[in-house]
Amino acid sequence: DGGITQSPKYLFRKEGQNVTLSCEQNLNHDAMYWYRQDPGQGLRLIYYSQIVNDFQKGDIAEGYSVSREKKESFPLTVTSAQKNPTAFYLCASSIVGGPTDTQYFGPGTRLTVL
Amino acid sequence: AQKVTQAQTEISVVEKEDVTLDCVYETRDTTYYLFWYKQPPSGELVFLIRRNSFDEQNEISGRYSWNFQKSTSSFNFTITASQVVDSAVYFCALSEANTGNQFYFGTGTSLTVIP
Repeated sequence: DGGITQSPKYLFRKEGQNVTLSCEQNLNHDAMYWYRQDPGQGLRLIYYSQIVNDFQKGDIAEGYSVSREKKESFPLTVTSAQKNPTAFYLCASSIVGGPTDTQYFGPGTRLTVL
Repeated sequence: AQKVTQAQTEISVVEKEDVTLDCVYETRDTTYYLFWYKQPPSGELVFLIRRNSFDEQNEISGRYSWNFQKSTSSFNFTITASQVVDSAVYFCALSEANTGNQFYFGTGTSLTVIP
């Protein structure tokens, strides 16, 4: 059963702590993405990767970091430098990452900073 | 400037009514792609449709239909005979051939279908 999994579903963090959100896909897609969703603002791109060991910043990369050591995995670390990290985070993947590609999304992780 | 505008923030309809969700986009590319996604309360975005800029034919899929009009830069989505399960946030998105990986999402329209 192919798809994208994100864990955990809910995450709580104290201010000043780094936290890593997991994203795994078994669709054999080359491209993977991280988006942030805030109420009333739609989705904003944080980082994307088209190939293993390579990734590019999106519109709001400050305070975030990623790695792409395996094709199936694209974890996102929210660092203490991110000023307002409370949000819903969505991971997506697409076949090769071109403009024609449909992006398929995971179930999301809701991060709350206490 | 917002590339994708969904002016309707929230819509409520009574079950079995028809409803149209508006999407207006802005691009200078001649080759581009438009998408609609549904986000139910569970949070996952579900892909509904992709349309390229060279195909203005309207599409129907069951109770869903899409009206693409390049003359008005719109890609509207109509749900016929709405059902409670249609309650969700719907997003329109644009990708451009010249900007590759970037998806531009609208701010979404929250649809509530009242039984």
